[in-house]
Amino acid sequence: NAGVTQTPKFRILKIGQSMTLQCAQDMNHNYMYWYRQDPGMGLKLIYYSVGAGITDKGEVPNGYNVSRSTTEDFPLRLELAAPSQTSVYFCASSYSRDIGGYTFGSGTRLTVV
Amino acid sequence: KQEVTQIPAALSVPEGENLVLNCSFTDSAIYNLQWFRQDPGKGLTSLLLIQSSQREQTSGRLNASLDKSSGRSTLYIAASQPGDSATYLCAEIQGGSEKLVFGKGTKLTVNP
Repeated sequence: NAGVTQTPKFRILKIGQSMTLQCAQDMNHNYMYWYRQDPGMGLKLIYYSVGAGITDKGEVPNGYNVSRSTTEDFPLRLELAAPSQTSVYFCASSYSRDIGGYTFGSGTRLTVV
Repeated sequence: KQEVTQIPAALSVPEGENLVLNCSFTDSAIYNLQWFRQDPGKGLTSLLLIQSSQREQTSGRLNASLDKSSGRSTLYIAASQPGDSATYLCAEIQGGSEKLVFGKGTKLTVNP
């Protein structure tokens, strides 16, 4: 089925470890986003991309990095994991901001201990 | 700073009731506003998008309105059903921006 695929679904990291959250979409969407969702806090934008080779910071980029080498993939890298990065991470994509129709992945639940 | 507020944080209604969810935003330079639904443990599902030039959008039992002058949007759900139970989030994009800014959501429970 077409959509946004996130892996892994769950992960436990130790403080100081690193990992990459994978995100792939097969809808040929130009725009891709990474959000984090903390309980009762809504979604905060971490990074976004408007096309291959173009990325920009969102509201809470510290401690994260991204790359967009292809239209399909938008991995999020966590370096030196900290307990404050315990959250649920969502990847999303859209064709453009005008058309909307944002498609979200099912999320990655990350715990840093 | 863009800020999106949703009140109430939680709402419980009996099945069949018509209800309104509220969303307010601080900047009149809004480009569009979107409503999403989130089921527990799941991602978000896009419900309705309203461009800044529009006043409302409808999909089935859902109707979303946008009033730029007052900085408000409402999501009207007609004849609510238990399957409507979820968290509803609104999000805005400002002119010149590519970024969705989300409210914290309203958790709706529809009781049979």
